[in-house]
Amino acid sequence: GDSVTQMEGPVTLSEEAFLTINCTYTATGYPSLFWYVQYPGEGLQLLLKATKADDKGSNKGFEATYRKETTSFHLEKGSVQVSDSAVYFCALQGGATNKLIFGTGTLLAVQP
Amino acid sequence: NAGVTQTPKFQVLKTGQSMTLQCAQDMNHNSMYWYRQDPGMGLRLIYYSASEGTTDKGEVPNGYNVSRLNKREFSLRLESAAPSQTSVYFCASSDWTGPNYGYTFGSGTRLTVV
Repeated sequence: GDSVTQMEGPVTLSEEAFLTINCTYTATGYPSLFWYVQYPGEGLQLLLKATKADDKGSNKGFEATYRKETTSFHLEKGSVQVSDSAVYFCALQGGATNKLIFGTGTLLAVQP
Repeated sequence: NAGVTQTPKFQVLKTGQSMTLQCAQDMNHNSMYWYRQDPGMGLRLIYYSASEGTTDKGEVPNGYNVSRLNKREFSLRLESAAPSQTSVYFCASSDWTGPNYGYTFGSGTRLTVV
């Protein structure tokens, strides 16, 4: 079945460092791909999405490109801030039912 | 404010007690979902409702029941709570057209079963 694999955390970075969180997927067809962010004590919020191959989603300085050839959707940011500390979830829209399938999440901790 | 509202935010139950988690959305979305979040396991789908009047099991439905009361409301019921159901529960609704393509989540219910 469809699945998402993302790098285990925690990822600890200093402020202004470059961020990459890896995400790969297994799916039939061409699913839409998403990154959600969860700040402490809150629900998940949509960060960015891409609905077809080679699309780049971007928001708040974060970017991810839908790579069909490598079945990947890695999240990147050029310069992280302390306020980016959160858990990041990669997800794909699975099949005809439109349910989202989530990775296990990656905790990012940014230190000043 | 438009969005998904969950109640209660926190709850402590004794083993064997029952309770209903409430969820309502005001975005006119057709589909609604219940997930549980446990450390190291991401989000796991409990039940979902593709449209008003329909419900289907997800990945981990045992010990739960749901009701899609109308288009706005989707409740989750624990008939006899067990410590294994200690978790954070999230409700979501989805729009698969337009600029808000994807899920909108509620803020969650933190449930502890002792």
